[in-house]
Amino acid sequence: SQKIEQNSEALNIQEGKTATLTCNYTNYSPAYLQWYRQDPGRGPVFLLLIRENEKEKRKERLKVTFDTTLKQSLFHITASQPADSATYLCALEGGSSASKIIFGSGTRLSIRP
Amino acid sequence: DTGVSQNPRHKITKRGQNVTFRCDPISEHNRLYWYRQTLGQGPEFLTYFQNEAQLEKSRLLSDRFSAERPKGSFSTLEIQRTEQGDSAMYLCAIPEPETQYFGPGTRLLVL
Repeated sequence: SQKIEQNSEALNIQEGKTATLTCNYTNYSPAYLQWYRQDPGRGPVFLLLIRENEKEKRKERLKVTFDTTLKQSLFHITASQPADSATYLCALEGGSSASKIIFGSGTRLSIRP
Repeated sequence: DTGVSQNPRHKITKRGQNVTFRCDPISEHNRLYWYRQTLGQGPEFLTYFQNEAQLEKSRLLSDRFSAERPKGSFSTLEIQRTEQGDSAMYLCAIPEPETQYFGPGTRLLVL
């Protein structure tokens, strides 16, 4: 069956360091992969999209890689700040006409000052 | 939360009661999605509308759930005879090219 796995354990990082989050998927061949940020009690907010033919994409302090052979995406936040503390969700296009998004369970990131 | 409002933001109800949530996109969109999110999990697809037509429903959407989008603008999600397992955050989303904009959600607690 199709599965998206994110590190279920919270990630604690010292301010200024690079945070790296992992997303693995099985039994999918997605055309693209997305990363969202979610703060407590709020809806997810879109951050980045990377297509299957792209290896890497950057946006300010964010960098996403996409390895379709390993079926894995890595999400990096460089020069991390306490304001980056949130849950980060990996999502894949569902592959149906509905264009629905299938989400991983998310990884909670805490940046300590 | 850009572009979508949801009401109420919080709802506490007793088991067996009916509840209704509303989603209002700020601007016109052909498609509208409903998701459910439980604690520690990512959002799970429930259903979506193309204008006023409900085109796909997840197996998660039991017969106690009904969704409508009468004029192709706002949408409502009703849960009849609520159960404790219905406690979750209910999210509405509208698609844009390559992304979806989510509302702030309605958090439901069934006692």
